Amino acid sequence: GESVGLHLPTLSVQEGDNSIINCAYSNSASDYFIWYKQESGKGPQFIIDIRSNMDKRQGQRVTVLLNKTVKHLSLQIAATQPGDSAVYFCAENIGGSWGKLQFGAGTQVVVTP
Amino acid sequence: NAGVTQTPKFQVLKTGQSMTLQCAQDMNHNSMYWYRQDPGMGLRLIYYSASEGTTDKGEVPNGYNVSRLNKREFSLRLESAAPSQTSVYFCASSARTSGRTDTQYFGPGTRLTVL
Repeated sequence: GESVGLHLPTLSVQEGDNSIINCAYSNSASDYFIWYKQESGKGPQFIIDIRSNMDKRQGQRVTVLLNKTVKHLSLQIAATQPGDSAVYFCAENIGGSWGKLQFGAGTQVVVTP
Repeated sequence: NAGVTQTPKFQVLKTGQSMTLQCAQDMNHNSMYWYRQDPGMGLRLIYYSASEGTTDKGEVPNGYNVSRLNKREFSLRLESAAPSQTSVYFCASSARTSGRTDTQYFGPGTRLTVL
């Protein structure tokens, strides 16, 4: 079956540097993508989303890039802070209009001083 | 505005016991979802309710039942708990007012252990 996956299970980043988290997807019909952040012991928290008619979207310190040609999604975090340490998930809509999301396994981001 | 709330936060059951996980949202969302999260794995959909009065199976529905009690509340029931159901359970909701997929907002989770 088609699935969402992440290239790197763990990403170590120095405080102040930029982080890039990657995600590959294989369902070419997916039209909506979300990035979530999950801190230890908490539920996933929405970070940013993007629809397939866009290739870039910016939020506060975060940017999501979508490359439909190679089915690749990335999350960039500018000036990474200790509070950014968490597991980051990408998710894609695979179920048409009703909202079924498929999640990747996650990437652990560790911010070092 | 509390968002999505779940009770209980923690639960330990013996094999064969039953229990109901409660979820409520105060965002007037139409759709609600139940997921489970196991170590090293992404979230897997158990059941969902696209709108009040409807429920459908997700990826891993076996061993579970759900009830969409009203627009706010969506409960998950384990009739006869098994050790394989040890997991963290998350409830989520989304608006879906336009019929398009939109953001799902998650509760804090229920950590369930089945002995």
